[in-house]
Amino acid sequence: AQKITQTQPGMFVQEKEAVTLDCTYDTSDPSYGLFWYKQPSSGEMIFLIYQGSYDQQNATEGRYSLNFQKARKSANLVISASQLGDSAMYFCAMREVRQGGSEKLVFGKGTKLTVNP
Amino acid sequence: ETGVTQTPRHLVMGMTNKKSLKCEQHLGHNAMYWYKQSAKKPLELMFVYNFKEQTENNSVPSRFSPECPNSSHLFLHLHTLQPEDSALYLCASRSGASGTGIQYFGAGTRLSVL
Repeated sequence: AQKITQTQPGMFVQEKEAVTLDCTYDTSDPSYGLFWYKQPSSGEMIFLIYQGSYDQQNATEGRYSLNFQKARKSANLVISASQLGDSAMYFCAMREVRQGGSEKLVFGKGTKLTVNP
Repeated sequence: ETGVTQTPRHLVMGMTNKKSLKCEQHLGHNAMYWYKQSAKKPLELMFVYNFKEQTENNSVPSRFSPECPNSSHLFLHLHTLQPEDSALYLCASRSGASGTGIQYFGAGTRLSVL
């Protein structure tokens, strides 16, 4: 079974600084996908960034980048120039494709990020 | 705005009530999901639908009954719930074929069972 581990229950960062949120994963599948989602207090799960296991380069989306280290099985999210609106829960997830083709996401427990002014 | 709309946003119900959660997507996706998010627990998959057919039921109690009349709409019918069913229920739809796409979520329905 696949597993996602987020070891930081909470993180604090000063506005305008960069922050790294850790994620390690465990899978025996050669092909997989890794995702980061942001969940503000309103509840909506917002897709941020995706990394495929065969992608040669680290994914980037605006201020978000994914530090993908395949050998270490880590997929850390880096947020540059933090803003107050970045305060939220952040979830790392892995795609699992089941026998028969059904797909689901396996989520970590999340990291609560607080950006201080 | 992700294109996935869930109603209602908040719901309070007694254990003997019957209610339904609705999810609607206008993204042209063919796969839809129900997830449950309880306090201090990772998201748990409940049901998966592909092209209106249920392809996964993750051992969900029968007091939760999903319905997918078409690729754009997904319902979760609730009856005789328990207080431990209080949670945030999230709907998602997926772009692309299985194994390639991205799941986009709605804002969720926060359910309280009294």
